Amino acid sequence: AQTVTQSQPEMSVQEAETVTLSCTYDTSESNYYLFWYKQPPSRQMILVIRQEAYKQQNATENRFSVNFQKAAKSFSLKISDSQLGDTAMYFCAFMKLASGTYKYIFGTGTRLKVLA
Amino acid sequence: DAGVTQSPTHLIKTRGQQVTLRCSPKSGHDTVSWYQQALGQGPQFIFQYYEEEERQRGNFPDRFSGHQYPNYSSELNVNALLLGDSALYLCASSPLGGGLDSPLHFGNGTRLTVT
Repeated sequence: AQTVTQSQPEMSVQEAETVTLSCTYDTSESNYYLFWYKQPPSRQMILVIRQEAYKQQNATENRFSVNFQKAAKSFSLKISDSQLGDTAMYFCAFMKLASGTYKYIFGTGTRLKVLA
Repeated sequence: DAGVTQSPTHLIKTRGQQVTLRCSPKSGHDTVSWYQQALGQGPQFIFQYYEEEERQRGNFPDRFSGHQYPNYSSELNVNALLLGDSALYLCASSPLGGGLDSPLHFGNGTRLTVT
């Protein structure tokens, strides 16, 4: 069974600084997808960034980028130039397609607080 | 373009009662998944519906059941409520193809409190 581990329950960063959130996963699959979702106090989960496992190039989305290490089963999120609006829970998620459908597994989350 | 909508926003029930939560998927999406998110935890997969059938199910008892209608909207029913069922229930939609181009879109959730 697949598992997703986020070992940092809470983190804080000064505004404009850079922070990295860690995520490791366990799977025997060769092709899968990885995502980072953000959940602000409003509760709605919002997609931050996504990565397909067979693509070696790390995904980037504006101030957000990932460091995807497939062999190490690691998928960390780097937030550059942190902004107050980045304060939220961040969840790493693993997804695989199987038999015409798909399934997501989420980590336990990292609470990020951006300090003014 | 309306996103995923869920109702009600909040709900308070008593142990042993039954509850129904509702979800309308994002326009163009035909697959609906339900997640339970306990306080301070990540979402836990309950089940997924496509073409009005349950396609996958997580590790939840039969007290949790669902339904999908021809317009793709969905309901989550929980019978014989327990205190431990108190959580945020999230609905997410996506085209069935899944993958990178169709990640999950989430609603704002229903906060269920069981007393």
